[in-house]
Amino acid sequence: GIQVEQSPPDLILQEGANSTLRCNFSDSVNNLQWFHQNPWGQLINLFYIPSGTKQNGRLSATTVATERYSLLYISSSQTTDSGVYFCAGGGGADGLTFGKGTHLIIQP
Amino acid sequence: SQTIHQWPATLVQPVGSPLSLECTVEGTSNPNLYWYRQAAGRGLQLLFYSVGIGQISSEVPQNLSASRPQDRQFILSSKKLLLSDSGFYLCAWSLSSGNTIYFGEGSWLTVV
Repeated sequence: GIQVEQSPPDLILQEGANSTLRCNFSDSVNNLQWFHQNPWGQLINLFYIPSGTKQNGRLSATTVATERYSLLYISSSQTTDSGVYFCAGGGGADGLTFGKGTHLIIQP
Repeated sequence: SQTIHQWPATLVQPVGSPLSLECTVEGTSNPNLYWYRQAAGRGLQLLFYSVGIGQISSEVPQNLSASRPQDRQFILSSKKLLLSDSGFYLCAWSLSSGNTIYFGEGSWLTVV
């Protein structure tokens, strides 16, 4: 199966700062998703982005499929953005392979 | 719209006891269904997936089993729990291969 690597593993920022999270994957994928895991454990879908660029408010994501990486941008960070961000990729019905996540802490 | 629910939300079970976690999806037919586990401080690991009733694929050999008795019902079971089975279990669904996967609220299992 594919390997998914995320960086950085941990990130501490002040409120208002911008951040870029990276996801590298070892092979081509048909499905690439970004999730935010809140303090209660729930996985919130952020983007389904096997290729291209999408934006949703202060968040945006870009996937360059030919180079096997994806980036998640968070602008003007808020304390509610804290949590773990996961990238996950897959090729079919057999589900997603997850990276180990980026633990983001936004300090007031 | 589609919704996914799993229960119980939390449970504490003694070693050697059985386990049954249930998951149902509403608002769609013939979804792909998944069980994931997240150990403390780690990423998510795919345990089982199913593309139809009675069709179960296992990703990791372990002390757990899964069943799909109805189209939109997915059950995770164990006959005898081990301490290492503790973790956060998440059920998920998708419409078809390559589409967005959506997760349930999760179930926290502590084996004591």
